[in-house]
Amino acid sequence: NAGVTQTPKFRVLKTGQSMTLLCAQDMNHEYMYWYRQDPGMGLRLIHYSVGEGTTAKGEVPDGYNVSRLKKQNFLLGLESAAPSQTSVYFCASSYARLADYGYTFGSGTRLTVV
Amino acid sequence: QQQVKQSPQSLIVQKGGIPIINCAYENTAFDYFPWYQQFPGKGPALLIAIRPDVSEKKEGRFTISFNKSAKQFSLHIMDSQPGDSATYFCAASDTNAGKSTFGDGTTLTVKP
Repeated sequence: NAGVTQTPKFRVLKTGQSMTLLCAQDMNHEYMYWYRQDPGMGLRLIHYSVGEGTTAKGEVPDGYNVSRLKKQNFLLGLESAAPSQTSVYFCASSYARLADYGYTFGSGTRLTVV
Repeated sequence: QQQVKQSPQSLIVQKGGIPIINCAYENTAFDYFPWYQQFPGKGPALLIAIRPDVSEKKEGRFTISFNKSAKQFSLHIMDSQPGDSATYFCAASDTNAGKSTFGDGTTLTVKP
C-alpha cells in the first residue's frame, strides 16, 4: 500500500537552477495538492488540482508551476530556484468528497536552494 | 490574512495530562475541520475530524470540541502519553472548493 509517493526525498539546488518534484498516488484520488512547510508557518498551499488536466493556484503560487497530465501524478516545477524556496514540500491527495477521508500526505521533499 | 489561527505554538505536559490545542477560523464557507498529527521527518496524518453540525466528536483518547457560533474548535488529548509527542495541525476545509487551510501547528511534548 504505497499511498502517496514523493521523489526525490532530498535535493540541493543552486540559485537559478530548475527542477521538478514528482508526486504519485495509487488510491485513485481525484484531488491532488502541493503544500510547502516552513518553520512556524504551517502548511501553505502552492497549487492544487481537482482532476486530470486541471490545475489551480493556492496561497503561494509564485515561482512554481504544476501539471497533472495523468490522474495519478502531480508535478511541481521550479523554473529558476531562489533561496526563498528552501522548504519542505508535501504532496497530498484526497477523494472528491474531501470530508470522507481527508488528505493523505506523502513523506515530503526537503529542498535547499543555495 | 490568516484564515486559521492556532494556539499555543508549543505545549509541554506531564504523562497523563490533558493538552488542549485551540483553533479559530474566519471563513464561514469552511465545512469540515480535521486535525493532523505529524512526527519528525514524516508527512502529516489525519487524526480526527468534525463537521460543523455536531459540537463534539470523540475517537479513543482524542476529542474535538466545536463551537460554530464562535467559529472555534479545539483538540483535547486525554491521558496523554510520551508517544503523543508530535506536531498537531488544525485545518479548515471548504469541501465545495476542494481545499483546506492549515493552522501554524502546535508542537506537543509529553514528559514521562
